Amino acid sequence: EVQLVESGGGLVKPGRSLRLSCTVSGFTSDDYLLTWFRQAPGKGLEWVGFIRGKIYGETTEYAASVKGRFTISRDDSRRVAYLQMNSLKVEDSGIYYCTRAPGPGKLPGFLDFDYWGQGTLVTVSS
Amino acid sequence: DIVLTQSPLSLPVTPGEPASISCRSTESLLDSNGYNYLDWYLQKPGRSPQLLIYLGSDRASGVPDRFSGSGSGTDFTLKISRVEAEDVGVYYCMQTLQTPLTFGGGTRVEIK
Repeated sequence: EVQLVESGGGLVKPGRSLRLSCTVSGFTSDDYLLTWFRQAPGKGLEWVGFIRGKIYGETTEYAASVKGRFTISRDDSRRVAYLQMNSLKVEDSGIYYCTRAPGPGKLPGFLDFDYWGQGTLVTVSS
Repeated sequence: DIVLTQSPLSLPVTPGEPASISCRSTESLLDSNGYNYLDWYLQKPGRSPQLLIYLGSDRASGVPDRFSGSGSGTDFTLKISRVEAEDVGVYYCMQTLQTPLTFGGGTRVEIK
């Protein structure tokens, strides 16, 4: 059974750091695009960024709002993707979702986000 | 960035009746290969989003045929032929023409 499970969320003060994990199972993650989305409380969905599979160079792309502060990485041997969040701001609060899509994540293209994690809540507050 | 605008914001529906949601893009999502890079997602209350429609009009695996997508370029529509109680939630359109991936603001479908 395919599963993605996020962890690492919590309450953190502005300016501090937090690292989220996305642990996958039930599939070989090597050639999947692993993507992070977030949703502020009561708001819509927002793309955070993604990392391509090893065979596609493990390249990353980020939303402008997090570029330079957030870093996505992956360790396929441990079946985990990470979202390192630095210099956190109040507006970074929300539920963070991890999802997968097969292939290189080349755009324009269909990204088949077929399985999602349940999300982990991040609250940035003083 | 590509901006997607959905309407209406809220859609009260009677079970068994049809429903329609619009998504308009500030740029054409039609690529030279003939594909429209516009997907529809449903987020049921308390749940993660689920893919309904991809490439403008193709139903994802397991999605009931009462859901259909249409449109091209900058104007797209999601239709539910006969709404069921389990269809409540927030519907989002999303474009995958280019990064940043962007979503519409969402349409909340509720049962009257």
